Amino acid sequence: GAGVSQSPRYKVAKRGQDVALRCDPISGHVSLFWYQQALGQGPEFLTYFQNEAQLDKSGLPSDRFFAERPEGSVSTLKIQRTQQEDSAVYLCASSLAGRNTEAFFGQGTRLTVV
Amino acid sequence: GENVEQHPSTLSVQEGDSAVIKCTYSDSASNYFPWYKQELGKRPQLIIDIRSNVGEKKDQRIAVTLNKTAKHFSLHITETQPEDSAVYFCAASRMSGAQKLVFGQGTRLTINP
Repeated sequence: GAGVSQSPRYKVAKRGQDVALRCDPISGHVSLFWYQQALGQGPEFLTYFQNEAQLDKSGLPSDRFFAERPEGSVSTLKIQRTQQEDSAVYLCASSLAGRNTEAFFGQGTRLTVV
Repeated sequence: GENVEQHPSTLSVQEGDSAVIKCTYSDSASNYFPWYKQELGKRPQLIIDIRSNVGEKKDQRIAVTLNKTAKHFSLHITETQPEDSAVYFCAASRMSGAQKLVFGQGTRLTINP
């Protein structure tokens, strides 16, 4: 595809429900990042993959958050037992290997927990 | 860890005037500083970036300056146009490790015609 694709674009979940957010990075991009963007704030780092290896998950706010990238391309961010404070836009970004190459962002998934 | 502060949070300028947004960072090991533009409901898009081995970079109406000693960097937009209206984010990262971006809080720039 032409860019990073995320689905769904919008998700409304009842509190306590599990959700799964999908990211299709740009083909050939080794690095994949997940960020959480609360309303009116800058994106905050959640986790980072290099190919299929999750090298940094220091930003995941709790053990209810889990991310995977089993084949080194598509990634899924899963949130278990969603809570109202999980409401945010979840952004995925990908980049080529190498130092500080441009990170391309997807349009995000807006999650609303009611 | 890294902390990035961005000012002002909102900025309103007349079309044709210049706009300046400033950021400070805390981690002296940070050496890559991109700026992203985000229009309402859209993805952040890179508009310019600078690495720590240079002090200034310019691309048409946009320029970024970096002061490593003071740990601050600034975005300058000249001859502003209505389509420059958006939220702008600065960010910082290290060249090593996960290269995760630490973002500022954003500046909502409004260009008044």
